[in-house]
Amino acid sequence: EVQLAQSGAEVKKPGESLKISCKASGYIFTKYWIAWVRQMPGKGLEWVGVIYPGDSEYRYSPSFQGQVTMSVRKSLNTAYLQWSSLKASDTGIYYCARHVHGGPADYYYMDVWGKGTTVIVSS
Amino acid sequence: DIVMTQSPLSLPVTPGEPASISCRSSQSLLNSNGYNYLDWYLQKPGQSPQVLINLGSIRASGVPARFSASGSGTDFTLKITRVEAEDVGLYYCMQALQTPYSFGQGTKLEIK
Repeated sequence: EVQLAQSGAEVKKPGESLKISCKASGYIFTKYWIAWVRQMPGKGLEWVGVIYPGDSEYRYSPSFQGQVTMSVRKSLNTAYLQWSSLKASDTGIYYCARHVHGGPADYYYMDVWGKGTTVIVSS
Repeated sequence: DIVMTQSPLSLPVTPGEPASISCRSSQSLLNSNGYNYLDWYLQKPGQSPQVLINLGSIRASGVPARFSASGSGTDFTLKITRVEAEDVGLYYCMQALQTPYSFGQGTKLEIK
């Protein structure tokens, strides 16, 4: 069974750093993109970016470029999302999802999602 | 970036009645291969999102037949023929034509 296990909730202060994880199982990790999606409290979904574990190719949303860093550790089948200096506006739930090719050229969608990691940034 | 706009944002429905959600994109999602790169996701209360519809109208695996979707270009619709209690949640359309992918604001379906 394909699963994405995300790390637990975090409570941090502004300015602190953070790295959350998404551990994949049940499939070949290096052959599928991983997407990150944010949901701020009471708000909708926002696409953060995608990373390809095979070669760490990535694409960021301009809204998140420079604000977060995606990475992977192939030996652990794990993808990461990290911040070097958190802001209160980073508060939200962060989902990872497997980003799969759906048939037509360049068409991808998110078929399996993790349960999300809640990040709270507050002084 | 492509902007996605949904309506209505709130949708109270009586069980057994139909429901319809509209989604509009700021530019055409029709690819030159003839497919519309538009997906629908449902986020049930307390859960992660799940895909309902791929490529504008293709039900994802396991999605009940009461869900259907149509549209092309910039205008799309998700329909539920007879709403059931388990259908409550937030419905999102999402364009998958170009990065950054973008979601609509979400439509909250609730039972009357």
